Amino acid sequence: DGGITQSPKYLFRKEGQNVTLSCEQNLNHDAMYWYRQDPGQGLRLIYYSQIVNDFQKGDIAEGYSVSREKKESFPLTVTSAQKNPTAFYLCASTPPRSGNTIYFGEGSWLTVV
Amino acid sequence: GDSVTQMEGPVTLSEEAFLTINCTYTATGYPSLFWYVQYPGEGLQLLLKATKADDKGSNKGFEATYRKETTSFHLEKGSVQVSDSAVYFCALRLSTDSWGKLQFGAGTQVVVTP
Repeated sequence: DGGITQSPKYLFRKEGQNVTLSCEQNLNHDAMYWYRQDPGQGLRLIYYSQIVNDFQKGDIAEGYSVSREKKESFPLTVTSAQKNPTAFYLCASTPPRSGNTIYFGEGSWLTVV
Repeated sequence: GDSVTQMEGPVTLSEEAFLTINCTYTATGYPSLFWYVQYPGEGLQLLLKATKADDKGSNKGFEATYRKETTSFHLEKGSVQVSDSAVYFCALRLSTDSWGKLQFGAGTQVVVTP
């Protein structure tokens, strides 16, 4: 079945460590996105990528990094520079054109211990 | 700038009650409008969408009509079930942005009691 796979579902990080969240899609979508969701709040855009080897900062990119070496993959690294990384992270993808639906993965919970 | 405003939650209802969640937007041009639903601990699922004025999106008993004159896209369901308990997000995608980042509202939690 086509879809977006995020892993791991749950991740614990010690302070000062970098961690990488995986996002893979087999929908042949060009654009991919990373959103952050804090408890009881809406979604905020971290990074997005329209094509391979190109990506743009979203509203809250500080402390995060991404890569887009393959169309199917858009990993997110939460660096030690991110001061408050505990959150729910959602990956999404979409084909172009404004009317098209954006599809989401199941999300990854990151907790700093 | 572009934005989406939703009514604050939580909204608590009894089973079979009528549900309305208000959503208004600010955007240039003619955005596409979406409602997403998030069940506890899960990602977001598309509930319905409308891509032009006066379009009505519908799915699973939920409906929303794109009203350009009032810049609104209110979500309604005539008779809710306990399984409708979730967080509902209104979102827009600009027509000028073909690679369309979504702009989300803050979400409205709905709790349906038996």
